[in-house]
Amino acid sequence: KAGVTQTPRYLIKTRGQQVTLSCSPISGHRSVSWYQQTPGQGLQFLFEYFSETQRNKGNFPGRFSGRQFSNSRSEMNVSTLELGDSALYLCASSPHTGTGQETQYFGPGTRLLVL
Amino acid sequence: DAKTTQPPSMDCAEGRAANLPCNHSTISGNEYVYWYRQIHSQGPQYIIHGLKNNETNEMASLIITEDRKSSTLILPHATLRDTAVYYCIVRARSDTGNQFYFGTGTSLTVIP
Repeated sequence: KAGVTQTPRYLIKTRGQQVTLSCSPISGHRSVSWYQQTPGQGLQFLFEYFSETQRNKGNFPGRFSGRQFSNSRSEMNVSTLELGDSALYLCASSPHTGTGQETQYFGPGTRLLVL
Repeated sequence: DAKTTQPPSMDCAEGRAANLPCNHSTISGNEYVYWYRQIHSQGPQYIIHGLKNNETNEMASLIITEDRKSSTLILPHATLRDTAVYYCIVRARSDTGNQFYFGTGTSLTVIP
C-alpha cells in the first residue's frame, strides 16, 4: 500500500496570507490527524477527523481549521498567517479498527515558511 | 500533555544493542505504550506498541515492566541509520478520539 502523502512538500508564504495543505491517507484508513512541529514546541496535535467529522481538537487558535472529504482525504487551512506558523505540518492516518489500537502512520510533512 | 519521561540523549556503538528507557509512572490500565522515531525533518515512523506483554517485531523489542510504570525499547543491533529522535507515547484506548501526545523524546546517536 502507498503511504500517507502530503502536498505540497514545501511552501513559502507571507504574513497575512492563508494556506491550504493536503493529505491523502493510506487506502482504507478513515482517521486523519494533523500535527504541527516547531523547534520550540515540538510535535503538537492540531485536530483529528473521522468520517468527515472533527473528532478531536488541540489547543490552537481558530485560524487553524480542517476538513475531511468522503474519500478520507483531508485538508487543513491556516488563515492570516503569522511568522510563528512557520513549521513542519504532519498528517497521520490510522484505521478505525474499534480495538483501541489505533496506530498512526505519518506522512513526510509539509514545511511551511512564513516571511 | 505528555505523560512520559525520557532521557534527552543517548549514544550507542554501531552493532551494539541500543536500550532506550521510558518512564510512564502514571499510566492507566487501558493505556498502550507506543514508540515512534523521527529522522531529521521526516515524518515520525512507527516502531512498536504494547499494552502489558513484551512485544517484538522486525525493528525492535519492547519490554514493559510488570507494574507497567516503565518500558524499554531495544534495537538489537544498532546501525548508523538508527540515529534519530525516539518518542515514547502512552495512549488510552478510546473510540472517541485518536491523538498522540509527543514529549521531547530521546535523541539517539549511533557511533561508528
